[in-house]
Amino acid sequence: GQQLNQSPQSMFIQEGEDVSMNCTSSSIFNTWLWYKQDPGEGPVLLIALYKAGELTSNGRLTAQFGITRKDSFLNISASIPSDVGIYFCAGQLGQGGKLIFGQGTELSVKP
Amino acid sequence: EAGVTQSPTHLIKTRGQQATLRCSPISGHTSVYWYQQALGLGLQFLLWYDEGEERNRGNFPPRFSGRQFPNYSSELNVNALELEDSALYLCASSLQSRDGYTFGSGTRLTVV
Repeated sequence: GQQLNQSPQSMFIQEGEDVSMNCTSSSIFNTWLWYKQDPGEGPVLLIALYKAGELTSNGRLTAQFGITRKDSFLNISASIPSDVGIYFCAGQLGQGGKLIFGQGTELSVKP
Repeated sequence: EAGVTQSPTHLIKTRGQQATLRCSPISGHTSVYWYQQALGLGLQFLLWYDEGEERNRGNFPPRFSGRQFPNYSSELNVNALELEDSALYLCASSLQSRDGYTFGSGTRLTVV
């Protein structure tokens, strides 16, 4: 199925470090979303981006909608152990409708 | 506000059987989406229902089907189960707006 290219696939970092992950696509999207999934749970929405160039923060999380509308990044500052999980980017073409998901970035944080 | 609820949480079936998975969206949400997440893989879009109609379908065989009821709850049916159908099946709902989806916790389907 169609997917976004998300990198890195996995990250092992020390508590307190900053983290950066990104997604690229060959297609233009009107909305970019970032989700986090904990084991055995469904993904939880972290940040939604609606305009090219938009920079949005949610606590220690910051995400940007790329100016070309074909990419997005997510930064996590001062990581803590509860940041552990799998982070997914997702692109949406129009209002409603399906989301196209990246392959996920698995984050491990060493205390 | 109750979130998206899915049942059952776990389901074990044998190859060739049929599985029925259920989803109740957040109150007021009219769109329901189904995704398949095989072990270690990302989420693959299965089906989108809105106002009782199938709006879009992912690249899955016809033995994956579903429906949406007048109360906006939804059912996913998988016929003639195959071993590779083993996965976490996630349901999500939205208001047909720009706010992204809210996912349920999923049904873990195991085909043996």
